[in-house]
Amino acid sequence: GAGVSQSPRYKVAKRGQDVALRCDPISGHVSLFWYQQALGQGPEFLTYFQNEAQLDKSGLPSDRFFAERPEGSVSTLKIQRTQQEDSAVYLCASSPQGAIGNTIYFGEGSWLTVV
Amino acid sequence: GESVGLHLPTLSVQEGDNSIINCAYSNSASDYFIWYKQESGKGPQFIIDIRSNMDKRQGQRVTVLLNKTVKHLSLQIAATQPGDSAVYFCAEGMGGSYIPTFGRGTSLIVHP
Repeated sequence: GAGVSQSPRYKVAKRGQDVALRCDPISGHVSLFWYQQALGQGPEFLTYFQNEAQLDKSGLPSDRFFAERPEGSVSTLKIQRTQQEDSAVYLCASSPQGAIGNTIYFGEGSWLTVV
Repeated sequence: GESVGLHLPTLSVQEGDNSIINCAYSNSASDYFIWYKQESGKGPQFIIDIRSNMDKRQGQRVTVLLNKTVKHLSLQIAATQPGDSAVYFCAEGMGGSYIPTFGRGTSLIVHP
């Protein structure tokens, strides 16, 4: 079956531009996660959904970052007024149940470059 | 704050050798640990996990060792193959249902 799908795979944004990154989780997966991965670093947690409920958004770095999952399936991560430090890979992951490590599947990421 | 960290940023081995990747963690409340493999251009992929009530767990060609006394985790890969070349991350969590917290990663390079 299909894995976690993210789009766009690559995005170049001018500083100050708004961007939207989409995540299609594995069908039926209840939990959805967003991570930010800077070059040469490990993924940093951003936010977590269980169905449509955003249970944890403690990792969002500023109020320019916003995530939603209105129908409990597809999720969008929106970054307003992008800045150069937002350049990173944004990883989405999903899980059929709670946040249990061996059931979390990651997408290939959306590579954002802010120029 | 407390975090997961790795001792060696890069490890180079010859094909067929055994590899050992180390990880130190500082959050004594963590009770669940995972190793992920990340190939270039891809997302992390689950390799093996271990709970804090165990000190060793084996998978196919991989073994994870947990030493809670010194807060150390290691991943052993037997008969390393070129396809094992990737960045390896340890991650920790707690409380049963958790969100993985990743360390910085170790790059494993396997020479044919």
